[in-house]
Amino acid sequence: DAGVIQSPRHEVTEMGQEVTLRCKPISGHDYLFWYRQTMMRGLELLIYFNNNVPIDDSGMPEDRFSAKMPNASFSTLKIQPSEPRDSAVYFCASSFSLPGTATNEKLFFGSGTQLSVL
Amino acid sequence: GQQLNQSPQSMFIQEGEDVSMNCTSSSIFNTWLWYKQDPGEGPVLLIALYKAGELTSNGRLTAQFGITRKDSFLNISASIPSDVGIYFCAGYLLQAGTALIFGKGTTLSVSS
Repeated sequence: DAGVIQSPRHEVTEMGQEVTLRCKPISGHDYLFWYRQTMMRGLELLIYFNNNVPIDDSGMPEDRFSAKMPNASFSTLKIQPSEPRDSAVYFCASSFSLPGTATNEKLFFGSGTQLSVL
Repeated sequence: GQQLNQSPQSMFIQEGEDVSMNCTSSSIFNTWLWYKQDPGEGPVLLIALYKAGELTSNGRLTAQFGITRKDSFLNISASIPSDVGIYFCAGYLLQAGTALIFGKGTTLSVSS
């Protein structure tokens, strides 16, 4: 299996521009998570989906952020308009069941998208 | 929101030394996980703990689930240069519907 695939690996944009991050989860995984990593705040959960349905979006910082999962093999995280404080590494992760709820359940991370908003 | 307090924030050690890091919380967790993140990559699961008091090893790594369910530690014995990276603890709260919560990480540097 190719693992969780994220694109792009790096994104540099100017303040005010729209940014779209993409994720392809591992086939067969029912859960998809978007995390943001910064030095100050570490890994923060933004939103997660179960069977393409958003379950918890309480971590989404503000209305400028939106996430969709139109089908089981694709999700997007969109920032519009982007701001310099959005600069971070954004990770997508997927799992078969909710991590922590089953023995040997694992959360698989993609390699992340390094976003820089100038 | 819920927080995991992970310490130390960073460590600089010599190859061959043992390392210990821990996570604490004011909340009760029913699962503790330890991840390692290599530069430019996403975190990878090292050890999972599901029972209070559980002690689990994975090669040179040993982790324990605290009896109070509010803490966990990770030990690395005889460190080697490839142990360099960021180590995260993560916990799953004892309530339904929540996703993993991560600590802020311990950055480990190993000099040979």
